[in-house]
Amino acid sequence: EPEVTQTPSHQVTQMGQEVILRCVPISNHLYFYWYRQILGQKVEFLVSFYNNEISEKSEIFDDQFSVERPDGSNFTLKIRSTKLEDSAMYFCASSEGPGLSSGNTIYFGEGSWLTVV
Amino acid sequence: GEDVEQSLFLSVREGDSSVINCTYTDSSSTYLYWYKQEPGAGLQLLTYIFSNMDMKQDQRLTVLLNKKDKHLSLRIADTQTGDSAIYFCAESKGSGGYQKVTFGTGTKLQVIP
Repeated sequence: EPEVTQTPSHQVTQMGQEVILRCVPISNHLYFYWYRQILGQKVEFLVSFYNNEISEKSEIFDDQFSVERPDGSNFTLKIRSTKLEDSAMYFCASSEGPGLSSGNTIYFGEGSWLTVV
Repeated sequence: GEDVEQSLFLSVREGDSSVINCTYTDSSSTYLYWYKQEPGAGLQLLTYIFSNMDMKQDQRLTVLLNKKDKHLSLRIADTQTGDSAIYFCAESKGSGGYQKVTFGTGTKLQVIP
């Protein structure tokens, strides 16, 4: 079954450093997302991306965050200057396209644990 | 705004059925999902239901949707110790293909051997 893959699975970084989390969405999917889960808390929406631009972003997704689809397969989340409170599991997700069908469900990756020290 | 509520904890004996309940607020939801998360792991999509359905069965899993009451449940038949995990209810809505998912707090299922 096709899946969303994420790298790295775990990253430890010093406060203030830049971090890039990488994702390879499912190949025929057109809509891409990042979510995060702080330890013990809910999974929260960060941003959605379609047609090379952000569709929607949450208030968490401030100027320190950016997303990019640098080529036809990767989708990245960059945190410019990490803070301690950015420590979380970051999930990439993708969905195929319009319509109420099985093709439009969202599939999540395994997540990337980010620990900021 | 959207909100999804679940009870935090459920304990069942191995072999019994588990029923995890969820309520949501947004009547315009298009999909409702159940995800499983094992300790330190990612989100595993267990099953989903379209908002225009009221039941879906998939092997040991049965999803019931009461749209009028905005209530979703997941029944796991013959619960096994490997089913111990956190189960997240989630709703999504969107148009034109874009879906925004709102997750519940998760229900920790403990299966007692």
